[in-house]
Amino acid sequence: DAGVTQSPTHLIKTRGQQVTLRCSPKSGHDTVSWYQQALGQGPQFIFQYYEEEERQRGNFPDRFSGHQFPNYSSELNVNALLLGDSALYLCASSKNGGQPQHFGDGTRLSIL
Amino acid sequence: QKEVEQDPGPLSVPEGAIVSLNCTYSNSAFQYFMWYRQYSRKGPELLMYTYSSGNKEDGRFTAQVDKSSKYISLFIRDSQPSDSATYLCAIGKGAGNQFYFGTGTSLTVIP
Repeated sequence: DAGVTQSPTHLIKTRGQQVTLRCSPKSGHDTVSWYQQALGQGPQFIFQYYEEEERQRGNFPDRFSGHQFPNYSSELNVNALLLGDSALYLCASSKNGGQPQHFGDGTRLSIL
Repeated sequence: QKEVEQDPGPLSVPEGAIVSLNCTYSNSAFQYFMWYRQYSRKGPELLMYTYSSGNKEDGRFTAQVDKSSKYISLFIRDSQPSDSATYLCAIGKGAGNQFYFGTGTSLTVIP
């Protein structure tokens, strides 16, 4: 039973560039949430996708956008990257947005 | 005011000790309470999930929720070096609503 998988594992970008991160949810799950975890901090909620629509959004600017595909996989896009966007980006999946959420190991994004 | 507060530690204990980890929260509407363990360079791993006040036990782990005080705890009995990790509390209102995480408590269990 495959858990939540994320790609790529690591990514290095420069300021102003755009990045796309990918997530495949755990088998049987239909809801994907994205989180940003800065070093030494807890995960901060970015948004949640269910039935291919953004259902809930945290306090993040419009530079952060997402998409969910019919197979429930999801992408996180970040435009006009800033140095402060350097973080671990985590994807979590669940059934119908409920609990518990299961996390992937994240994509570590470094902005130079 | 943050939705959830967690003492970041770090916490260092000898092997076999009982560990107590705690979080406080501000909104009485929160109904779901979780504890995650996160090893370095890994994603959070769910340890405990509770919906109501009271205690829930799973092996060496006990989660405790006191809604009247807006206080949750995780107890680890007979701590092992493999328990060394960062422990995150997470609190939320339920499906369709976001969950809030504490900053995490770093725990080291010394052999």
